[in-house]
Amino acid sequence: EVQLVESGGGLVQPGGSLKLSCATSGFSFSGSAMHWVRQASGKGLEYIGHIRSKTNSYATTYAASLKGRFTISRDDSKNTAYLHMNSLKIEDTAMYYCTRYGSTWGQGTLVTVSS
Amino acid sequence: SYELTQPPSVSVSPGQTARITCSGDALAKQYAYWYQQRPGQAPLLVINKDSERPSGIPERFSGSSSGTRVTLTISRVQAEDEADYYCQSADISGAMVFGGGTKLTVL
Repeated sequence: EVQLVESGGGLVQPGGSLKLSCATSGFSFSGSAMHWVRQASGKGLEYIGHIRSKTNSYATTYAASLKGRFTISRDDSKNTAYLHMNSLKIEDTAMYYCTRYGSTWGQGTLVTVSS
Repeated sequence: SYELTQPPSVSVSPGQTARITCSGDALAKQYAYWYQQRPGQAPLLVINKDSERPSGIPERFSGSSSGTRVTLTISRVQAEDEADYYCQSADISGAMVFGGGTKLTVL
């Protein structure tokens, strides 16, 4: 069974940092690109970025609005993808999901940016 | 452009057919995907690559494509189908592009 489990969310102050993890199982993680998507309460789905496989040089792509503050990485030995978030703003408050290009999603982890 | 446009809401009576459209220039060259999202849950893929139905998705769900428009059709709508539905495609870099979402109300 394919599973994705996000963790690392929580309450953080504006300007702070947070690292989210996406632990996976049940598929070839090393051969898969991994995507991060977020959703503010009552709003639609927003693409954050994705990281390609080793075959594609672990290349990353980010939403233009987030580039520079968010970084995606991966550890193929742990079947885990990461989302590093810096200089967090109140408007970054959202549920954060990882997904294997839509075919499977985690349950999400909630990030709340507030003082 | 890589914007996808969906109607904000669609309403249908139980047993009727619901059609949700999604428009965007990218759809002429890229596949479309449809997700169902119930309150408090993660998105669930219901249509893959324009018209493929993933395992476990009822046959009542179907997808079609014509030029720059794709359509999600839900036949014999049931109360459990009430949810938000999102279309998704990709831009040239492989980034996921989402429509704004359509709230399906079962009257």
